[in-house]
Amino acid sequence: GQNIDQPTEMTATEGAIVQINCTYQTSGFNGLFWYQQHAGEAPTFLSYNVLDGLEEKGRFSSFLSRSKGYSYLLLKELQMKDSASYLCAVRSYNNAGNMLTFGGGTRLMVKP
Amino acid sequence: KAGVTQTPRYLIKTRGQQVTLSCSPISGHRSVSWYQQTPGQGLQFLFEYFSETQRNKGNFPGRFSGRQFSNSRSEMNVSTLELGDSALYLCASSLVVRGRYEQYFGPGTRLTVT
Repeated sequence: GQNIDQPTEMTATEGAIVQINCTYQTSGFNGLFWYQQHAGEAPTFLSYNVLDGLEEKGRFSSFLSRSKGYSYLLLKELQMKDSASYLCAVRSYNNAGNMLTFGGGTRLMVKP
Repeated sequence: KAGVTQTPRYLIKTRGQQVTLSCSPISGHRSVSWYQQTPGQGLQFLFEYFSETQRNKGNFPGRFSGRQFSNSRSEMNVSTLELGDSALYLCASSLVVRGRYEQYFGPGTRLTVT
């Protein structure tokens, strides 16, 4: 089965940088997603990593190490609107096909 | 390009009833996945459809079923509703673009079972 761990809550200051970690154990690894979800809304796609390394997209970057079963999401120049839950999700392949397993999410609170 | 749409957005049902939820994927996306989100269990995979075929199924009872039509629109059905089925049901459509997998969620249907 799959096991995905990420911190439950984090707090950071506006303008700062925050790193949200995600560790996973899975067989048939086929990519890792990061999603942002504001309260009462659907998740919004942030990034997808399938190879090792860093992917940068504006203020958001995502890193993957497949050998360590580890990823992080880096948010720079934090804004108040970044207060949300951040979901790490692992795509894995089995005999039946691909499926996506989500971590419990990290609730980020950005303070002035 | 329009995003993923889901109908209805809100629904209230009573125990024992059945419900059908609808999802229209992004134009050109042939894969549709369904998820259940609850405060206690988080986001859980229900099933995935591609070209009208169920490709994978999560660990949910047989009361949960789905189908996909030739135009890629998908429906999911829950029969004999239980209080614990109250949740946000999310549909996501996906596409592989230059070897990269992209998946986008719809706004969800919030189901309340009383």
